[in-house]
Amino acid sequence: AQKITQTQPGMFVQEKEAVTLDCTYDTSDPSYGLFWYKQPSSGEMIFLIYQGSYDQQNATEGRYSLNFQKARKSANLVISASQLGDSAMYFCAMREVRNSGNTPLVFGKGTRLSVIA
Amino acid sequence: DGGITQSPKYLFRKEGQNVTLSCEQNLNHDAMYWYRQDPGQGLRLIYYSQIVNDFQKGDIAEGYSVSREKKESFPLTVTSAQKNPTAFYLCASSIDLYGKHRDPNTEAFFGQGTRLTVV
Repeated sequence: AQKITQTQPGMFVQEKEAVTLDCTYDTSDPSYGLFWYKQPSSGEMIFLIYQGSYDQQNATEGRYSLNFQKARKSANLVISASQLGDSAMYFCAMREVRNSGNTPLVFGKGTRLSVIA
Repeated sequence: DGGITQSPKYLFRKEGQNVTLSCEQNLNHDAMYWYRQDPGQGLRLIYYSQIVNDFQKGDIAEGYSVSREKKESFPLTVTSAQKNPTAFYLCASSIDLYGKHRDPNTEAFFGQGTRLTVV
């Protein structure tokens, strides 16, 4: 069964500094995808970045990068040059690939990031 | 403008009542999902559907029901059997068609959510 663990309920970071949000996952399937979503206080879910299990390079999207360590089953999100608007909940999620197709996303409990001016 | 629309944004339910949350998408996506979010918790899967006229239970389906009569619509009914329905409900969709998509890089798009409160 899929499982996502985010061990940091809350994080603080100074504006313009970098921050790493931790995510570990558990799966026995060789093909899977890892996602990070941002949820501001408005409640909407904003897709940030994706990493596939067979991708050789770490994913990057602007100020977001994913530190993918497959052997350790970790997929940490790195946000560089933090901005006040980065204050939000961040969720790590995973889906696997089956004969019936892709499974639904399974989410971790999230990390609340607060950026301090 | 393609997207997912959930309505209403806020919903109040009396004890013992059934209520239905609406979710409509115009993204031509085959798969649709309902998640529940409680304070300090992640999103938990209630039901999902990967094709019209078919749906599957998620991890917390008890006390909920769904239908998928049209590709665009996936309404969720919170029944009186759901003992603690107060939560934030999120609907999502993705292109994943049952038995077809085997590339996990299929982003799920979310609606704005419905906040349900029992009064």
